[in-house]
Amino acid sequence: NAGVTQTPKFRVLKTGQSMTLLCAQDMNHEYMYWYRQDPGMGLRLIHYSVGEGTTAKGEVPDGYNVSRLKKQNFLLGLESAAPSQTSVYFCASRKTRGTDTQYFGPGTRLTVL
Amino acid sequence: AQSVTQLDSQVPVFEEAPVELRCNYSSSVSVYLFWYVQYPNQGLQLLLKYLSGSTLVESINGFEAEFNKSQTSFHLRKPSVHISDTAEYFCAVSALFGNEKLTFGTGTRLTIIP
Repeated sequence: NAGVTQTPKFRVLKTGQSMTLLCAQDMNHEYMYWYRQDPGMGLRLIHYSVGEGTTAKGEVPDGYNVSRLKKQNFLLGLESAAPSQTSVYFCASRKTRGTDTQYFGPGTRLTVL
Repeated sequence: AQSVTQLDSQVPVFEEAPVELRCNYSSSVSVYLFWYVQYPNQGLQLLLKYLSGSTLVESINGFEAEFNKSQTSFHLRKPSVHISDTAEYFCAVSALFGNEKLTFGTGTRLTIIP
């Protein structure tokens, strides 16, 4: 049982390049989330999904797109990377809402030059 | 909407001394409250949570937090810290209803001084 995994662990992009971050969970969770973590700002929600085929915007969605084609995977895309997107990205999953614990992946450190 | 305030961004504490990490929240509805811990170069993991019932909740590694509804606080305490407690601690809140999301505070970095 691997929990929540993220690919890749590190990435360096040039401004304007695109990339996709992959999140996978093997706990059959319905809810999945993408956050970014920046110094002094805590975790900010980018997008989330409440089930296969659904997505919704969080508090900082601009510049990102997501897809949840399979229940176990949640993809985060950057179409045209900007230096302001340099951050550590965390994926999380949760069985359902309410009292269920949210489980986090190990993070992806992205640098945009 | 909910919000969480962690006023202390960094807290240095001597080993074996007590510590309190402060968390205040704002919400127009009833909430669930959580503390998450992030060890260096790792993701976040749940430390403890308040859902209902006793206002004092405990973790397996000696931390405890008390829900105070009148003061809208959920402070985290430990009577004697260890080097291994060095981490960043995040308070989070979720509404009881329509609670698809957690709202996190900005975190408190706890540094243990030997």
